[in-house]
Amino acid sequence: GQNIDQPTEMTATEGAIVQINCTYQTSGFNGLFWYQQHAGEAPTFLSYNVLDGLEEKGRFSSFLSRSKGYSYLLLKELQMKDSASYLCAVRVAGGSYIPTFGRGTSLIVHP
Amino acid sequence: DVKVTQSSRYLVKRTGEKVFLECVQDMDHENMFWYRQDPGLGLRLIYFSYDVKMKEKGDIPEGYSVSREKKERFSLILESASTNQTSMYLCASRRNTWSYNEQFFGPGTRLTVL
Repeated sequence: GQNIDQPTEMTATEGAIVQINCTYQTSGFNGLFWYQQHAGEAPTFLSYNVLDGLEEKGRFSSFLSRSKGYSYLLLKELQMKDSASYLCAVRVAGGSYIPTFGRGTSLIVHP
Repeated sequence: DVKVTQSSRYLVKRTGEKVFLECVQDMDHENMFWYRQDPGLGLRLIYFSYDVKMKEKGDIPEGYSVSREKKERFSLILESASTNQTSMYLCASRRNTWSYNEQFFGPGTRLTVL
């Protein structure tokens, strides 16, 4: 099976930087996704990492270390609209390559 | 833009009723998924379909069945609704299994079983 761990909740201040961690234990790792989900809305894709290192996309960056089973999502210049849940999902090779989701991290950005 | 639509945003049913949740995607994706999302438990996979008429059980298939007669449509069926099936149900689609592809989610159906 797979074990994916994320903090349940984080708070941060508008304009600051926040790092949301995701650790996983799995065999046959084949990539890690981050999704954003605003309250009452559908999750939307943010990033995908399959190789070690940092992928930058505007204010959002995602990092992966396969040897440590660790990823983080870095949000810079936080805005109020970044208040949402952030879901980490791990894809495993073999079978139907179905991602398994962590329980999500609820980020609250306050003024 | 990929669009995934679900038949209802909110649904209230009674215990024992048969419930149909419909999902439609408009981008010719091969794969479709049904999840339920509960506070503190995250997204849990109920069923997955990798192509028309093809399906796989997910982590929590008990009490549910699915139907995929056409590529664009994936239906979730609660044969006899129970109160513990009160939840948010999310449908998703993905281009295919083999290459990296993200999932596209519908807006969700919040089902209440009384």
